Amino acid sequence: AAGVIQSPRHLIKEKRETATLKCYPIPRHDTVYWYQQGPGQDPQFLISFYEKMQSDKGSIPDRFSAQQFSDYHSELNMSSLELGDSALYFCASSLGVGQGGGNTIYFGEGSWLTVV
Amino acid sequence: AQSVTQLDSQVPVFEEAPVELRCNYSSSVSVYLFWYVQYPNQGLQLLLKYLSGSTLVKGINGFEAEFNKSQTSFHLRKPSVHISDTAEYFCAVSDGDDKIIFGKGTRLHILP
Repeated sequence: AAGVIQSPRHLIKEKRETATLKCYPIPRHDTVYWYQQGPGQDPQFLISFYEKMQSDKGSIPDRFSAQQFSDYHSELNMSSLELGDSALYFCASSLGVGQGGGNTIYFGEGSWLTVV
Repeated sequence: AQSVTQLDSQVPVFEEAPVELRCNYSSSVSVYLFWYVQYPNQGLQLLLKYLSGSTLVKGINGFEAEFNKSQTSFHLRKPSVHISDTAEYFCAVSDGDDKIIFGKGTRLHILP
C-alpha cells in the first residue's frame, strides 16, 4: 500500500540558509501534519492542514511556513536556519479532520535536516 | 488539553522475558490512544491503536495494550521480547478530530 512520501530524506544546510521539505500524503488523504523531532526528543507538532487550509498550529517558529496544495501535497519552508533546527521532520496524513472518527494518522519516514 | 506521560524513560529487559511499558493519559474528552515504535534511525510505525470497543488491543509484532479508563492508562505489553524489539516506543493520544500528542518515549533495551 502507498505510504506517506517525504523528500528529501536527508538535507544539509548552512546557518541562515533556507530549506524546503515536501510531503506527499497517502492517496485520498486530505489532512497533513508536520512534526519536528530533535535528537533524543519526542515528536513535537508544528502545523496541520485540512483541505488546503491551516487547521491547527503548534510550536512552529515564525521563520517556518507551510502550505497544502490542490493535490494535497504539502511543503514546509524554513528560513534563516539555526543550528537548533537540526532535527528529523515528520509528515503525516489522515483522512478527514473534524469528523470525530478517530482517524488514524500515518507517518512518513521523515526528512533529516542538519544545519551546520 | 490532552497529555501523555510515559513513566519510564528506559526499560532494560532480558531477551525472551515479558515487558510492560507504562503510559498514562489525561484528557477532558473521549480519547483515542496509540503506540508507535521508532527503530534506530527510522521513522514512526504504528504498533496498535484504541479507538473504541474491546479494551484489549492487539497490534503488530506480538504487542498488545489494555485501555483502562478508571486508571487512565494504556500500558503496552509483550509476553516475550526479541533483540529486534530494541527501539523507542511512543505512547500518543488524540481526541479524534485533531493532531496526535506524543509522550516523551520509552527506550526498550533488550539484554542478551
